[in-house]
Amino acid sequence: EVQLVEFGGGLVQPGGSLRLSCGASGFTFRNYWMTWVRQAPGKGLEWVANIKQDGSERWYVDSVKGRFTISRDNAENSLYLQMSSLRAEDTAVYYCARDAKFQLDFWGRGTLVTVSS
Amino acid sequence: EIVLTQSPGTLPLSPGERVTLSCRASENVVSSPLAWYQQKPGQAPRLLIYGASNRATGIPARFSGSGSGTDFTLTISRLEPEDFAVYYCQYWGKTFGQGTKVEIK
Repeated sequence: EVQLVEFGGGLVQPGGSLRLSCGASGFTFRNYWMTWVRQAPGKGLEWVANIKQDGSERWYVDSVKGRFTISRDNAENSLYLQMSSLRAEDTAVYYCARDAKFQLDFWGRGTLVTVSS
Repeated sequence: EIVLTQSPGTLPLSPGERVTLSCRASENVVSSPLAWYQQKPGQAPRLLIYGASNRATGIPARFSGSGSGTDFTLTISRLEPEDFAVYYCQYWGKTFGQGTKVEIK
């Protein structure tokens, strides 16, 4: 059974940093692109970043470029999102998802990041 | 950059009714990267349809997708109580529409 579990969310002050993790199991992690998607409270879904199987390609939504870094450890079956210079508008539930080429076929339950003083 | 516009924003319906949700792309797109998701309150999204018309594993036959070019449709043939949720379309695993909420009338 495919499972994705995010952790690392919490309350952080504006300008602060946070690192999210996503543990994967039930599939061959190194064979898939992986994606982070976020959802601000009461809002829709926003694609944030994705990373190729070997980490050689990484793509970001414009609003997080230069502030967020996506990475992965295939030996540990883990996906990461390092977030810095956080802003109030980054407040959201962050989901990791398996990227099946054109669609996100499995999702974690998400972890809440709140940016507030 | 492709923009996806979903309509309507909210759709009040009763169980048993047929539902048609629209997703319009800002320019012609190929069908294979068009997907639909369902999200219930407090839950992660779930993949329903990929490649515009293919049901994902375990998705009931009452869900179907169609369309090409700029216009895509998600149809629920007969609404079940568990289908009241928000539905999103997505292109190429990235761009999302703003969602359509199917609520109980």
